[in-house]
Amino acid sequence: DVKVTQSSRYLVKRTGEKVFLECVQDMDHENMFWYRQDPGLGLRLIYFSYDVKMKEKGDIPEGYSVSREKKERFSLILESASTNQTSMYLCASRSMASGFTGELFFGEGSRLTVL
Amino acid sequence: DQQVKQNSPSLSVQEGRISILNCDYTNSMFDYFLWYKKYPAEGPTFLISISSIKDKNEDGRFTVFLNKSAKHLSLHIVPSQPGDSAVYFCAAILAGNQFYFGTGTSLTVIP
Repeated sequence: DVKVTQSSRYLVKRTGEKVFLECVQDMDHENMFWYRQDPGLGLRLIYFSYDVKMKEKGDIPEGYSVSREKKERFSLILESASTNQTSMYLCASRSMASGFTGELFFGEGSRLTVL
Repeated sequence: DQQVKQNSPSLSVQEGRISILNCDYTNSMFDYFLWYKKYPAEGPTFLISISSIKDKNEDGRFTVFLNKSAKHLSLHIVPSQPGDSAVYFCAAILAGNQFYFGTGTSLTVIP
């Protein structure tokens, strides 16, 4: 089974703190994604990565950065956390081997609260 | 601009009856459509998908219908079970790698 592991299930941070959210997948997937989920807004794409050291902005990249130094690990960084970044953060990965049908495999999510 | 829309935030159905979840989209270039199921405090899990060249795909109790002329997608669950209670997201794939998600529909199956 594919496993996508997010390092922290629940975090509480203060405004202005730097926050790291880590995601690791164990299936050698090329593509990795970071989404945030908010009530009434669904899943919105923050950043994605086609492969190691590659990154592309999603729909809402402002206030975030990412790092993908190794194929299995994709990190989301909040340089200076703000209260409007309180959300559920979801990491996902996908294999390109299955072409257009490649589904996303999600981690369990990281619930971040910024005070 | 929301390219994939789920206009019903919630749905309640009696156990054993049919659940129908709906999804509308605006972009006729979407290649594939998928449904994901999400329980609280867990990540979404893949449920079923359909290619844009098909109009129906069935997997056990779950059937997805695609009406391209209406740009409408629906998920039928028959019979509904209490364990089906979750948030359901529809998603569409563009150019093989861009995923667009709806806002989700919370399904409650009443025993």
